[in-house]
Amino acid sequence: EVVLTQSPATLSLSPGERATLSCRASQSVRNYLAWYQQKPGQAPRLLIYDASNRATGIPARFSGSGSGTDFTLTISSLEPEDFAVYYCLQRSDWPPITFGQGTRLQIK
Amino acid sequence: QVQLQESGPGLVKPSETLSLTCAVSGYSISSGHYWAWIRQSPGKGLEWIGSIYHSGDTWYNPSLKSRVIISVDTSKNQFSLKLTSVTAADTAVYYCARRGASTGFAFDFWGQGTKVTVSS
Repeated sequence: EVVLTQSPATLSLSPGERATLSCRASQSVRNYLAWYQQKPGQAPRLLIYDASNRATGIPARFSGSGSGTDFTLTISSLEPEDFAVYYCLQRSDWPPITFGQGTRLQIK
Repeated sequence: QVQLQESGPGLVKPSETLSLTCAVSGYSISSGHYWAWIRQSPGKGLEWIGSIYHSGDTWYNPSLKSRVIISVDTSKNQFSLKLTSVTAADTAVYYCARRGASTGFAFDFWGQGTKVTVSS
């Protein structure tokens, strides 16, 4: 099973700042990594698929990079609505499909 | 727009079977794609339970495989989850979702989730 480790667990930033979230895989997942945003009481929302492709309707301030075992989600300039929990997911070596444990992005 | 809606009991007794259904609208399951069940609990985060293709082929999380059955009913445009011999550890919010071919087979559409509590 591929284990995804996200860091940091919590990130405290202010609106307008740049956010950098990390996801590291226990073995190569090629580029088969996705990023999700989840707000309280809501289902996760797909942001990025295949490491760097933005999903439909996702603002350009969200970008993904990486391949193999190290991936990054970058939010170039935080908007108030971006404060949420972010998860990575791999579908390279499945079953099982696995998720990271999440990074909570909170307002500083 | 693809929409998914979970339904089923919110309370299940220990050792009994959890049964949920996901109704899909805006897209015909028979047209393709994979369909999935995912759960989220405070202790374990997001956990993929299993997926089914419109043909009925299934893939399960090895950690749950002995207790899970996912089935599809294309005539009703829905798919279902059965989880047997539940314990308190199965208490979670259960989501159904689609794995979209146009989004790298990531989960692109989700239901709103349904909370299931296992308790006597």
